[in-house]
Amino acid sequence: GEQVEQLPSSLIVQEGASVLINCSYTDSASVYFPWYKQEPGKRLQFIIDIRSNMERKQTQRLTLLFDKKTKHLSLHITATQPGDSAIYFCSGTNAYKVIFGKGTHLHVLP
Amino acid sequence: DMKVTQMPRYLIKRMGENVLLECGQDMSHETMYWYRQDPGLGLQLIYISYDVDSNSEGDIPKGYRVSRKKREHFSLILDSAKTNQTSVYFCASSSGQSGNTLYFGEGSRLIVV
Repeated sequence: GEQVEQLPSSLIVQEGASVLINCSYTDSASVYFPWYKQEPGKRLQFIIDIRSNMERKQTQRLTLLFDKKTKHLSLHITATQPGDSAIYFCSGTNAYKVIFGKGTHLHVLP
Repeated sequence: DMKVTQMPRYLIKRMGENVLLECGQDMSHETMYWYRQDPGLGLQLIYISYDVDSNSEGDIPKGYRVSRKKREHFSLILDSAKTNQTSVYFCASSSGQSGNTLYFGEGSRLIVV
């Protein structure tokens, strides 16, 4: 079935560093790609999204790149802070079906 | 206030007991979801509901059933809980088709002993 592969599974960085999280998906029909952040013990919360007719989206310290040809997404987080420590999930949606990556555990050390 | 509320937040049950997890949303979203989250497995879709009495199996429906009698309320039922159903269960809602983000509840942690 459709899959979303997310790498790396975990990251440990020093405060101020930049990080890159990658996702590859198999479903060519996916048209919308929201990302979510889950702080320890909390709910998933939407952080950024991109649609299949876009290549790049940026909000504050987040930049999301999308390559439709290779079915690849990259989330770039700059100037990381301890508050960025969380699990980050990519996802792809096709109509009602939402497929999640397995998540990237990010630890930002002060 | 856009909110998805789950009850109970924590639950310990014995194997074989019935479990009812409840989810409510105040956004009049048509679509609601139940996921379970386990370490290393990410989020797995159990059931999806497109509206009242319009439910569909997700990827791992075995051992679960759902009920949606009102648009704002979606229940997950475990008849005769098993130890491998120990997990954190998340409810989510969205306003419908592609292009809409999911709003998640805070999760219900179930331990089956």
